[in-house]
Amino acid sequence: QKEVEQNSGPLSVPEGAIASLNCTYSDRGSQSFFWYRQYSGKSPELIMFIYSNGDKEDGRFTAQLNKASQYVSLLIRDSQPSDSATYLCAVNMRTSYDKVIFGPGTSLSVIP
Amino acid sequence: NAGVTQTPKFRILKIGQSMTLQCTQDMNHNYMYWYRQDPGMGLKLIYYSVGAGITDKGEVPNGYNVSRSTTEDFPLRLELAAPSQTSVYFCASSITQGPYGYTFGSGTRLTVV
Repeated sequence: QKEVEQNSGPLSVPEGAIASLNCTYSDRGSQSFFWYRQYSGKSPELIMFIYSNGDKEDGRFTAQLNKASQYVSLLIRDSQPSDSATYLCAVNMRTSYDKVIFGPGTSLSVIP
Repeated sequence: NAGVTQTPKFRILKIGQSMTLQCTQDMNHNYMYWYRQDPGMGLKLIYYSVGAGITDKGEVPNGYNVSRSTTEDFPLRLELAAPSQTSVYFCASSITQGPYGYTFGSGTRLTVV
């Protein structure tokens, strides 16, 4: 099993809809979880982090964490064409140096 | 505030050549990292540093070397370039361990021919 898995997509949603991005991880002891947005040809940009079970909201973004199921998701409400990007899930694994493992990313396309 | 600065942005190397990718941060972050990103493969950690004078290997260190003589600078050295090192390289930094995200540089696109 890969350490951090994401659906590669592409995921297409119409403008104004809710986009749902999913991520699963293998290390049950993982502590922190991050979502990065990466536009084509650009560097990743941190948009959300979460470390407690439940939901964390920031504007149109909601991160959801379920440690028992080893599952973290990102919801984007009222999706805009400017949200079209690749979304990387990153997990802070429980190792000697707090290793952060990135998933392969999910490509999101918001259709006007 | 420049954040994390990487140079060069693009480079073409011939097989067997060597080069250094530069990375500088002005945020006084202790932790610095080098990642490579191949299409559809996510980010793979090459080397990391937890402070000046301290470096360690990540997941894919073969063919690379690093040094950390100051808090600000974390150069990545490629010796004897191979086509398998064709990739986009990102430098990142963070203030400390734990639930803190990374700040990434703009990346270096390297092609080895």
